[in-house]
Amino acid sequence: TQLLEQSPQFLSIQEGENLTVYCNSSSVFSSLQWYRQEPGEGPVLLVTVVTGGEVKKLKRLTFQFGDARKDSSLHITAAQPGDTGLYLCAGVPYSSASKIIFGSGTRLSIRP
Amino acid sequence: NAGVMQNPRHLVRRRGQEARLRCSPMKGHSHVYWYRQLPEEGLKFMVYLQKENIIDESGMPKERFSAEFPKEGPSILRIQQVVRGDSAAYFCASSPTGTPSSEQYFGPGTRLTVT
Repeated sequence: TQLLEQSPQFLSIQEGENLTVYCNSSSVFSSLQWYRQEPGEGPVLLVTVVTGGEVKKLKRLTFQFGDARKDSSLHITAAQPGDTGLYLCAGVPYSSASKIIFGSGTRLSIRP
Repeated sequence: NAGVMQNPRHLVRRRGQEARLRCSPMKGHSHVYWYRQLPEEGLKFMVYLQKENIIDESGMPKERFSAEFPKEGPSILRIQQVVRGDSAAYFCASSPTGTPSSEQYFGPGTRLTVT
């Protein structure tokens, strides 16, 4: 069974601080996605990384796919209260292109 | 262009009743995925359907659960004889192609509570 572990599970920091969320697996994925989910809503795709070592930036968010395609990180610079939410990483396995494996999520809270 | 629609948004059922959850994909999307999410957890894949076909149901319990995506109308996730452990948020996603590496667009979910 392929699993994606996210850390930390919960993170509460002050506005303006930086943070990094990690997504790790012992399995290799063909691509990896990051989603943000707000209470009462469905996940919204933030980014897809496809190439090992790839780095993508989305304003203050930086996403990196590990060289071995087993892990990824999300770094947020100068966090804002609007960044509050549940961040989910999700991997597409080589063995089955029809389903996405989701991590358990990181609940992020930014205090004003 | 309307997004993925799910209804009802909230559903309360007593143990033993049936629950029917509906999902209308985005216009032009012919692939539908159903996921289940327990509180403070990630989403768990249940089933992948194309019009009139179940492509992958490996994540769906063998008993009491069924899904369909008819030629006309929304996709339906049906849970018979619900139990308390079925209480969860059920999300539907759709995509214009069959590979999840393309974007999957999620609906707002149906929150099922079994009393």
